[in-house]
Amino acid sequence: GENVEQHPSTLSVQEGDSAVIKCTYSDSASNYFPWYKQELGKGPQLIIDIRSNVGEKKDQRIAVTLNKTAKHFSLHITETQPEDSAVYFCAAYITGNQFYFGTGTSLTVIP
Amino acid sequence: NAGVTQTPKFRILKIGQSMTLQCTQDMNHNYMYWYRQDPGMGLKLIYYSVGAGITDKGEVPNGYNVSRSTTEDFPLRLELAAPSQTSVYFCASTVSAFPSTDTQYFGPGTRLTVL
Repeated sequence: GENVEQHPSTLSVQEGDSAVIKCTYSDSASNYFPWYKQELGKGPQLIIDIRSNVGEKKDQRIAVTLNKTAKHFSLHITETQPEDSAVYFCAAYITGNQFYFGTGTSLTVIP
Repeated sequence: NAGVTQTPKFRILKIGQSMTLQCTQDMNHNYMYWYRQDPGMGLKLIYYSVGAGITDKGEVPNGYNVSRSTTEDFPLRLELAAPSQTSVYFCASTVSAFPSTDTQYFGPGTRLTVL
């Protein structure tokens, strides 16, 4: 099956700086890549996603880039705020299959 | 809409006991899923359902059973609980069927400890 690796496992940034989280996947058939934010004691919540026919997608301070050739995709958060502190998960999806999740990145934004 | 709700929030079981984790969604979603999340790991799919009366195994189904008698409810049954089943369990749902991917809505989770 698909294998998704996520780095780093922990990330600390100063408020206002940017944060970047990277994921790699193994199966070139993966065609949908969502990113989830999980706050303490809550379920994951979709924050942005990208499909394999798109190279980049942006939503305010959050952006995702996809490099199909290298099989990796990244989450970019600009102008970080303390409320961005959470665990972030990437996932890869193959049509007709299931979602495969990364192991998560714990982001801490230091005021 | 309440979205996806799960009960209980926390539970401690003794080895060999059984229990049912409840999941309900009020969004009329066709697809429902059960995941487990172990510390420092991503979510692993246990079972999923594409509609009432239809269920299928995910990546880690051993030790679990599910049923889907209605669109709204998707309970997960643990028989003969084992310490390896200590985890946080998440239920999720989506409105669209594969291959039309859609947002997965997650419940708040059930934290289960087996001692």
